[in-house]
Amino acid sequence: KQEVTQIPAALSVPEGENLVLNCSFTDSAIYNLQWFRQDPGKGLTSLLLIQSSQREQTSGRLNASLDKSSGRSTLYIAASQPGDSATYLCAVKGGGGADGLTFGKGTHLIIQP
Amino acid sequence: GAVVSQHPSRVICKSGTSVKIECRSLDFQATTMFWYRQFPKKSLMLMATSNEGSKATYEQGVEKDKFLINHASLTLSTLTVTSAHPEDSSFYICSATRSAKNIQYFGAGTRLSVL
Repeated sequence: KQEVTQIPAALSVPEGENLVLNCSFTDSAIYNLQWFRQDPGKGLTSLLLIQSSQREQTSGRLNASLDKSSGRSTLYIAASQPGDSATYLCAVKGGGGADGLTFGKGTHLIIQP
Repeated sequence: GAVVSQHPSRVICKSGTSVKIECRSLDFQATTMFWYRQFPKKSLMLMATSNEGSKATYEQGVEKDKFLINHASLTLSTLTVTSAHPEDSSFYICSATRSAKNIQYFGAGTRLSVL
């Protein structure tokens, strides 16, 4: 059974810093990996989707990498802003591709103004 | 991106009542919809996979008779929590996709509180 772990569970940094969020998964036979943002009491906003054949994806100040063989992904946030404060979720989709997502518990990020 | 509407956003009900949650894809046809729930400080957990016109597939440990899922059209899936109890209080969220292997678009979620 796939398990997804996110480290750290919480992170608080001053505005402007670059930071890295970590995600690991136990079964490397994934279809894709996705990073989401969840604001309190709200739904999920997809940030980046990496297919199993890809190594990284970039969107603005966000960069996500994937090392499928080692079961790891990182989300890099450059020049952090207070508006980046949220919970960041990592989720993987099973190898067959037709499955639902398996989520980590998330990293609760606070960017101090 | 595609829009998925989930309603209601919050519901408070008495123990023993049934609650229906709707998930609609507003601008695309969703052949597959997924239902997840999230308990406090826990991960989002997949409850069931719903394909239009067929019975839902439930994850292990999820009671199909308690959580009734109907996906009667390509734009609507409903989750009914029957005879809700306080332990069913949770955040329920749906996602919709054009096909099972495509990207999932999420609704805003429903916060259920059972008194």
